[in-house]
Amino acid sequence: GAGVSQSPSNKVTEKGKDVELRCDPISGHTALYWYRQSLGQGLEFLIYFQGNSAPDKSGLPSDRFSAERTGGSVSTLTIQRTQQEDSAVYLCASSFTGLSNQPQHFGDGTRLSIL
Amino acid sequence: AQTVTQSQPEMSVQEAETVTLSCTYDTSESDYYLFWYKQPPSRQMILVIRQEAYKQQNATENRFSVNFQKAAKSFSLKISDSQLGDAAMYFCAYRSGTSGTYKYIFGTGTRLKVLA
Repeated sequence: GAGVSQSPSNKVTEKGKDVELRCDPISGHTALYWYRQSLGQGLEFLIYFQGNSAPDKSGLPSDRFSAERTGGSVSTLTIQRTQQEDSAVYLCASSFTGLSNQPQHFGDGTRLSIL
Repeated sequence: AQTVTQSQPEMSVQEAETVTLSCTYDTSESDYYLFWYKQPPSRQMILVIRQEAYKQQNATENRFSVNFQKAAKSFSLKISDSQLGDAAMYFCAYRSGTSGTYKYIFGTGTRLKVLA
């Protein structure tokens, strides 16, 4: 597609359930980032992918969070045993390479609400 | 560790007027990049302007310009001739230029209101 696509746009689930969020980056972009944006806060870096590997996972808040990327394209962020504090907008971004001078292109995000 | 601070939670500007959004950062690095992103209510983050730390000249993109003061670690965004479509959250971001570093650090944002 022309831009970064994220699905679902909104997700409501009960505490304790697992959720899977999807990101489809711009075709040809090798770098992919996941961020979390809590209400009234800036973006919190979660994880970076270069191709299928994740050289920087330093932002994942706990072992309930994991992410994978297959085929150097689509990525999924999985949150197990969700808790209310996981409620946030999860944003995905991609860039042509992971070099610092490459701009990120963002998706519209997934708004996750944990009841 | 690097930090980015946006001390203005909210700003207002009259249409056609000029407004400046503040951003300061803290780093011990000499090679880095700074960014301003705009996030309208649609949620999608859009890159407004980018500055390389090694460049002394301030970046400019049409009505948007920055005042980059490296010694003071300040990176403000000036919006000239403000338009209603400029209303959004604006985020300042930092990224290290060190090889092998991929993390972007964002400030908490400034909400800009444009008054007709």
